[in-house]
Amino acid sequence: AQTVTQSQPEMSVQEAETVTLSCTYDTSESDYYLFWYKQPPSRQMILVIRQEAYKQQNATENRFSVNFQKAAKSFSLKISDSQLGDAAMYFCAYRRQGGSEKLVFGKGTKLTVNP
Amino acid sequence: EPEVTQTPSHQVTQMGQEVILRCVPISNHLYFYWYRQILGQKVEFLVSFYNNEISEKSEIFDDQFSVERPDGSNFTLKIRSTKLEDSAMYFCASRGDRGTRWGETQYFGPGTRLLVL
Repeated sequence: AQTVTQSQPEMSVQEAETVTLSCTYDTSESDYYLFWYKQPPSRQMILVIRQEAYKQQNATENRFSVNFQKAAKSFSLKISDSQLGDAAMYFCAYRRQGGSEKLVFGKGTKLTVNP
Repeated sequence: EPEVTQTPSHQVTQMGQEVILRCVPISNHLYFYWYRQILGQKVEFLVSFYNNEISEKSEIFDDQFSVERPDGSNFTLKIRSTKLEDSAMYFCASRGDRGTRWGETQYFGPGTRLLVL
C-alpha cells in the first residue's frame, strides 16, 4: 500500500523568508500524481501545487515550488517570500494514475509564519 | 472560479441518529469523493463515486454509510446510526474528466464539522 510521510510535524519561518517542507512517499507505481494541500484554521483544504510523476520539470505556482526527486521518492515544497497568510497545516498527498482514485495523505506539517 | 460547496458547515447530533451531509460538486465534474478528518489526524479516504455508482470504498465506509447523487447537482453522504467515533470533519471533493486540464486534481469543499454526542 502507498504511504506518505511528512517528517516535520511543525515548522516556523520568518515573514519574507523561505521555508521548505519535506515529504516522502512509498509506491511501486511508476505513474502517479503528487499534491500539496493547505489547510488554514478554517480547515478548508486548498490545493497549492501539483506534480505529475512523468514530468521531470518541477512544478511552480508563484511563490510555491516543488523539488520532485522521483528516484528518492521525495516531494518537498518550497515557499518563498513567506507571508502571514501562509500559516496553515500543509498536507502532502499521493494518487496513483489509473485504478484507485483515492488520495493518500501524510500527517501534515504545521507552518507558523513569524512577523 | 467554480467551487465545491457543502452544507451544513456544522452539525451536532445525538448518537444513534441519522445524518445527511450535502455537497454540490463543481458543475462539469464527473467524479465525486468523500473524505474525513478526525481532529488532529490525517485526512482519510471514504468513498469515490462515478456514473451513479460507488467505484471504490475504504474499510471505514461500512454499512452505516451510503452515498447518493439524488439529482444532477447534489452528492450526499448518509450515516444511518451515528457513533461517537464518527465525529470528524467531512470533506467532499470532485474532479473533472481525465482529458481536461487539471482533470486529475480533486478540489475540496469547505467541509462539514460533525459532532456526535
